[in-house]
Amino acid sequence: LAKTTQPISMDSYEGQEVNITCSHNNIATNDYITWYQQFPSQGPRFIIQGYKTKVTNEVASLFIPADRKSSTLSLPRVSLSDTAVYYCLVGDINNNDMRFGAGTRLTVKP
Amino acid sequence: NAGVTQTPKFQVLKTGQSMTLQCAQDMNHNSMYWYRQDPGMGLRLIYYSASEGTTDKGEVPNGYNVSRLNKREFSLRLESAAPSQTSVYFCASGGAWDTEAFFGQGTRLTVV
Repeated sequence: LAKTTQPISMDSYEGQEVNITCSHNNIATNDYITWYQQFPSQGPRFIIQGYKTKVTNEVASLFIPADRKSSTLSLPRVSLSDTAVYYCLVGDINNNDMRFGAGTRLTVKP
Repeated sequence: NAGVTQTPKFQVLKTGQSMTLQCAQDMNHNSMYWYRQDPGMGLRLIYYSASEGTTDKGEVPNGYNVSRLNKREFSLRLESAAPSQTSVYFCASGGAWDTEAFFGQGTRLTVV
């Protein structure tokens, strides 16, 4: 399993763009990169998933450079309700062992 | 559409007691998971099941057993509860890495 490293915490202000970077130096060819969001007292919720280049959906973008050794989750114009823990996961599509790290605790301030 | 349903939502056990946490999903997923989350920490994988009839150990399997009863249900059993097992337990289901996982609302377990 590829090990991931994320910042423990980040602060931002409402209306700003937030970028959270995850390092995964030993990512393997079959590995996908997935991000989840977790609010207090709730289970995590899927945000976005990608393999390479850029993926965008209605809530976030995921940037993956050519070497795939890192990835960046971009949240445009955050609001107070985006305060949560964000987890980066890396895993083989043929392996169901899905592990979360410590995540990044994002605090959005008014 | 219920998604992933866990029971019970809350439970208090005495040290040495046993109990089974139930999880059911209605999304026809092959993969199911059990996690625990201690206060202020990330989720840790206890066991997972890639398909009906198979189970595998995760990061912290000691003190737990699981049963994949059928495609819908995946239960977690604590045979002899210990205070160190006080945690919030989450069940999830999903189609492995090329689809998203869906989580239940969690079971808050306290062992005294």
